[in-house]
Amino acid sequence: GAGVSQSPSNKVTEKGKDVELRCDPISGHTALYWYRQSLGQGLEFLIYFQGNSAPDKSGLPSDRFSAERTGGSVSTLTIQRTQQEDSAVYLCASSLIAGGRNTIYFGEGSWLTVV
Amino acid sequence: AQTVTQSQPEMSVQEAETVTLSCTYDTSESNYYLFWYKQPPSRQMILVIRQEAYKQQNATENRFSVNFQKAAKSFSLKISDSQLGDTAMYFCAFMKRTNAGGTSYGKLTFGQGTILTVHP
Repeated sequence: GAGVSQSPSNKVTEKGKDVELRCDPISGHTALYWYRQSLGQGLEFLIYFQGNSAPDKSGLPSDRFSAERTGGSVSTLTIQRTQQEDSAVYLCASSLIAGGRNTIYFGEGSWLTVV
Repeated sequence: AQTVTQSQPEMSVQEAETVTLSCTYDTSESNYYLFWYKQPPSRQMILVIRQEAYKQQNATENRFSVNFQKAAKSFSLKISDSQLGDTAMYFCAFMKRTNAGGTSYGKLTFGQGTILTVHP
C-alpha cells in the first residue's frame, strides 16, 4: 500500500482478554516500530525491528506485551491479559534506512480501550 | 538517555501570521537527527521537517523552518503564513545516529507535544 496500514482502527476489550494489533508497513521498508501514545505518558517507544537483526524490545512495559514480524513485513503486537492502563493509541511506523538517512512514516494508529 | 522538552502545552495564532514552537533536548550524543512531526485529529503522525545535527544550515520546507542551535540544544519550529490546516499537535523528536556515515538507529524520543490552534 501507499502508507503504513494498521488494524483494527478501534478496539474495545474487556480487562483480562488478549488483543492483537496488526501493522502492514510501507512496501520495501526494512525497519518497523511500535509506539504507544497515552494521555499520561505521551509517546513511548515499544519495540523496533530492523531486517533480520534481533528486535530491540527495550520499550515493552511488561512481559504481557510481545510483538513479532513475519517474513520481514507484517507485524503483530500482542497484549495478553489486558489491563485498564493499557488503554492507549498504538502507533506503528516503518522506514527505509539507506545511506544514513532514516525517515520514519507512521500509520493512523489502533485506539485500544480496556474496560 | 535522551530527553526532549516542549515547554508550550498550547499555542494559538491567527491565520496568515507566524508562530514559533519551542523545543529543547538533552543528549551526550554528537551525531543525531531532530524532527518535527504534526499530528492532526486524524491521529496520523506526519513528518514536517528534519535536521541533521552535523549540518549548520537550518532546514526549511516551504512555510516551515527551524532554528537549530546545537550548543544550546535548542530546535524551534517556525510556521509562516499559518493556515487553518496547520491546526494540530506538534511533536519534537530526537533520534541518535549509530555511526558516522553508517546506518541510523530508528528509535525516536518525543517531547510532550504542543497543541497549535490556527484561528480564522
